[in-house]
Amino acid sequence: AQSVAQPEDQVNVAEGNPLTVKCTYSVSGNPYLFWYVQYPNRGLQFLLKYITGDNLVKGSYGFEAEFNKSQTSFHLKKPSALVSDSALYFCAVRVLRPGGSYIPTFGRGTSLIVHP
Amino acid sequence: DTGVSQDPRHKITKRGQNVTFRCDPISEHNRLYWYRQTLGQGPEFLTYFQNEAQLEKSRLLSDRFSAERPKGSFSTLEIQRTEQGDSAMYLCASSLEGSSKEAFFGQGTRLTVV
Repeated sequence: AQSVAQPEDQVNVAEGNPLTVKCTYSVSGNPYLFWYVQYPNRGLQFLLKYITGDNLVKGSYGFEAEFNKSQTSFHLKKPSALVSDSALYFCAVRVLRPGGSYIPTFGRGTSLIVHP
Repeated sequence: DTGVSQDPRHKITKRGQNVTFRCDPISEHNRLYWYRQTLGQGPEFLTYFQNEAQLEKSRLLSDRFSAERPKGSFSTLEIQRTEQGDSAMYLCASSLEGSSKEAFFGQGTRLTVV
């Protein structure tokens, strides 16, 4: 089945330390992968995407993500975490639906907590 | 503000009542999506429009749910005979055509059924 998984419900990191939020996927064909961030009582904000090309993708707010085809992963990273990065992070992959359309399908989300 | 807008932001209704939500997508986006999000979960796909055509419907979209996008502009999501299990955040998103295009989300409508 086509899906996306975020194996960690919560990630804790100290401010200034590097952070990683994990995502793995299962799709047929080439994956289109996305990361979004959600602050309390808000909609999702787009961070970055992988379509093709370089495996390291740079996005908003200093975030980047590494696409690894052999491990079917697309982990979100940041070299130095800020307290303001604390939020919910969602990985998404375009999935082929029964009607023939490609629809963004989201993981369960990972709560990132950055401690001062 | 040229982003996706949703109205209302919050809705409290009694069980059994009908509710309708509105979504105004980014003007040049011809694709529009509705998702539902409950606490601790990621957004779950409900339905998708390309212009005015409703091309995909999730099994989550029971007979009590209906969505429209007349003229391919704004969209409405109606829930009839609401149940407590319908309580959730309803998110609307829009995008340009193309599988590689990212979706832009509105701030959502939080529905509470009492």
